[in-house]
Amino acid sequence: NAGVTQTPKFQVLKTGQSMTLQCAQDMNHEYMSWYRQDPGMGLRLIHYSVGAGITDQGEVPNGYNVSRSTTEDFPLRLLSAAPSQTSVYFCASSYTGIKGADTQYFGPGTRLTVL
Amino acid sequence: KNEVEQSPQNLTAQEGEFITINCSYSVGISALHWLQQHPGGGIVSLFMLSSGKKKHGRLIATINIQEKHSSLHITASHPRDSAVYICAVRPMEYGNKLVFGAGTILRVKS
Repeated sequence: NAGVTQTPKFQVLKTGQSMTLQCAQDMNHEYMSWYRQDPGMGLRLIHYSVGAGITDQGEVPNGYNVSRSTTEDFPLRLLSAAPSQTSVYFCASSYTGIKGADTQYFGPGTRLTVL
Repeated sequence: KNEVEQSPQNLTAQEGEFITINCSYSVGISALHWLQQHPGGGIVSLFMLSSGKKKHGRLIATINIQEKHSSLHITASHPRDSAVYICAVRPMEYGNKLVFGAGTILRVKS
């Protein structure tokens, strides 16, 4: 199993550009999520999905869109990049057990800089 | 005030020392996670707890649900334990969502 994969690893954008961060998992996990990590702050949830066709907003969704057309893929779209979106982005996945999400598996991260 | 507070923020230890990292939270939870983030950036899940204590090698995690507190202990610390340790909780009213602490930066010197 490849686990959770993310591409690209690094990206530099200019203000106003759009792009898609890719995330895929091969563990047949129902639950997938996107986080951003900023210095001195904990990981913050951007969007999440509990299964194909179902997505919902997290703590900091503004400026980002997601879709979940398959169980495996959960891309994150930046609509019009802003310097405030400079961050490290992590995708994660897990099973959804009886009590909710189980052990989280994280991708390697994407370091995004917006100039 | 953050829902999840970790202490200390930074910790430097000598190889072989016993290390404790603390996590306090303010809401009712269904589970608590301890994660490790190495300097390369990758995040690995260490433990998921809903009660009691778990042990894996030199790592021990405990949780006291009544006191809303968890600790991560590292016995016989080693320089390869140097990493950021992150506590995350699953609040009961949030369903599957996790809320993360800011992390504890641990450096173990040889």
